[in-house]
Amino acid sequence: KQEVTQIPAALSVPEGENLVLNCSFTDSAIYNLQWFRQDPGKGLTSLLLIQSSQREQTSGRLNASLDKSSGRSTLYIAASQPGDSATYLCAVRLSNDYKLSFGAGTTVTVRA
Amino acid sequence: SQTIHQWPATLVQPVGSPLSLECTVEGTSNPNLYWYRQAAGRGLQLLFYSVGIGQISSEVPQNLSASRPQDRQFILSSKKLLLSDSGFYLCAWSAGTTTSPLHFGNGTRLTVT
Repeated sequence: KQEVTQIPAALSVPEGENLVLNCSFTDSAIYNLQWFRQDPGKGLTSLLLIQSSQREQTSGRLNASLDKSSGRSTLYIAASQPGDSATYLCAVRLSNDYKLSFGAGTTVTVRA
Repeated sequence: SQTIHQWPATLVQPVGSPLSLECTVEGTSNPNLYWYRQAAGRGLQLLFYSVGIGQISSEVPQNLSASRPQDRQFILSSKKLLLSDSGFYLCAWSAGTTTSPLHFGNGTRLTVT
């Protein structure tokens, strides 16, 4: 069974600092990995999707890397802003499976 | 573009009452559809998923059921709610390939009293 872990559970940084969020998974036979953002009381918003053949994906200030062999992905958010405050979740899809396994998320607070 | 609609946004129901949550997707055909539950302080738990009309896979034995009466409609139901059914219910969809991203609705906050 795929286990997905996100550490730390919570993170607080001053505005302008770069954010580094970690995601680890136990089964390296993944199809892809997806990062989401969740604001309080809201649904999940897809941020980035990395296919198993890719090493990284970028969108604006966001960059996500994937290392399948070590079972890790990292989400970098450059020059954090108070609007980046949210919970960030990662999810992995095993090969030939329509289901995703989610981490519990990292709750980020960016202090103005 | 594709959109997903989920309603109601909030619901307060007494123990023993029935439940029906609805989710519809627009702008795509034959999507994979999912129901997740998110309990306070916990991760997302997959409840049901469907790869086609009438095809429902259940992940967790429980008090809930799901149906897909139309291609882009997914319904979560219960005949008698339990206190433990309280939580945040999320509907999601993806295209019918394993390389496609998952997209979520805005969720339904269910409180069973």
